[in-house]
Amino acid sequence: DAKTTQPTSMDCAEGRAANLPCNHSTISGNEYVYWYRQIHSQGPQYIIHGLKNNETNEMASLIITEDRKSSTLILPHATLRDTAVYYCIVRGAGTASKLTFGTGTRLQVTL
Amino acid sequence: DTGVSQDPRHKITKRGQNVTFRCDPISEHNRLYWYRQTLGQGPEFLTYFQNEAQLEKSRLLSDRFSAERPKGSFSTLEIQRTEQGDSAMYLCASSPKIRLGNEQFFGPGTRLTVL
Repeated sequence: DAKTTQPTSMDCAEGRAANLPCNHSTISGNEYVYWYRQIHSQGPQYIIHGLKNNETNEMASLIITEDRKSSTLILPHATLRDTAVYYCIVRGAGTASKLTFGTGTRLQVTL
Repeated sequence: DTGVSQDPRHKITKRGQNVTFRCDPISEHNRLYWYRQTLGQGPEFLTYFQNEAQLEKSRLLSDRFSAERPKGSFSTLEIQRTEQGDSAMYLCASSPKIRLGNEQFFGPGTRLTVL
């Protein structure tokens, strides 16, 4: 699985959009970008995934650059409950194997 | 759908003792994973089951660790002769067989403290 690079931490004001970047310059053609988050003292939670098209669900939007070397997770209206560590993971969607987590981005949403 | 459950949520033990953790996956999820997470780090993969078959094991899973999923439903993770370095959060996740996104659903974890 390709390696990902994320900023260590970010702040966001409540109600504003949170934009979390991820670099994955070595991603291969059949690898997907996944995002999970982990709220303190809980297990990780799946957010969204995509291959090359932008994706949106009830939790977030995922914007993947045309060259697929980077992506951005967007939380459109961040709330205090979105404070968590966000992990960007690259892997093949057809595989059943492990998720390889990095250290993620710690997002702090403030009043 | 009651989610993935893990038991116990917390375990404190003395060095050298054996401990066993249980994971109950989401009903009808045939894939089950174990991860370990230490403070400030992301979860690290330990092992993976498809039904009752253990298909992949990490090098982190030393010979003191053993995992089973005897009937393809719940799973247990046993650590023998615990060491202080085993102190961590042990996470279980499950996923269904047929799902394009193949997302994994995590339980709340078991926090192990070895004194």
